[in-house]
Amino acid sequence: SQQGEEDPQALSIQEGENATMNCSYKTSINNLQWYRQNSGRGLVHLILIRSNEREKHSGRLRVTLDTSKKSSSLLITASRAADTASYFCAASYSGAGSYQLTFGKGTKLSVIP
Amino acid sequence: GAGVSQSPSNKVTEKGKDVELRCDPISGHTALYWYRQRLGQGLEFLIYFQGNSAPDKSGLPSDRFSAERTGESVSTLTIQRTQQEDSAVYLCASSFFRTYEQYFGPGTRLTVT
Repeated sequence: SQQGEEDPQALSIQEGENATMNCSYKTSINNLQWYRQNSGRGLVHLILIRSNEREKHSGRLRVTLDTSKKSSSLLITASRAADTASYFCAASYSGAGSYQLTFGKGTKLSVIP
Repeated sequence: GAGVSQSPSNKVTEKGKDVELRCDPISGHTALYWYRQRLGQGLEFLIYFQGNSAPDKSGLPSDRFSAERTGESVSTLTIQRTQQEDSAVYLCASSFFRTYEQYFGPGTRLTVT
C-alpha cells in the first residue's frame, strides 16, 4: 500500500502551544500536501511542498520534507481553538496517475482554550 | 466565486436500493475527483475525470459503482444495490488541469440501513 500514515493519531494541546504532526509515505513523490478537515466534511488545502523543497511556510504553518526518510511534518505555531480539526497529508506519487492523491488516516487535533 | 457543491448533503437509503450523488465542480476546473471516506479513516480515491479523456476508474471498489461527467461540468456517482459497507461520506473535488491542489465539496453522507 502507498497510503501515507500520520502520527500521532490524536493530539490534544493548550491554546498557544505548538502542534506538530508527522506523515510518512512509501515511494518517491512529486509533492506532498496537507489538508484540514472540520467536522468530518469537506477538506481545505493548507500547503503543498514539492519533492525538491525542504521547508515551506504559510502564516502559522511550517511544513518540512525529508525525502531520504520519506517523511514530512506539519507544525502549527501558537495554536488557537479554531485550529481544532483533523489534518491529513496527501502524497502525489511519481509516475502515471501522479494527479492522484493518496491520503493518510489523519491526525485529530484538539486545541483546548 | 462559488466552490464545489454536492447534493444531497445527507442520504439514508435501504440496503439494495440505488443512489445517485451529484457534484458541481468549480467553473473552469477541468479535473474532477470522487473519494470515499469511512468513519475515522482517510480518503479512498474512487475515480478521476480530466476533460474529455477516458476517466481513471481504478479506485472503484466494485461494478456496483459508476460515475459520469458531462464535459467539464456536473458529475454523478451512482451506487447500485447499496450495501451497508457503502455507508460513508462521499467527497468530490476539482482542480485545474495539471495542478495538484484540489478543492473539495462538503460531501454527501450516505447511510445504508
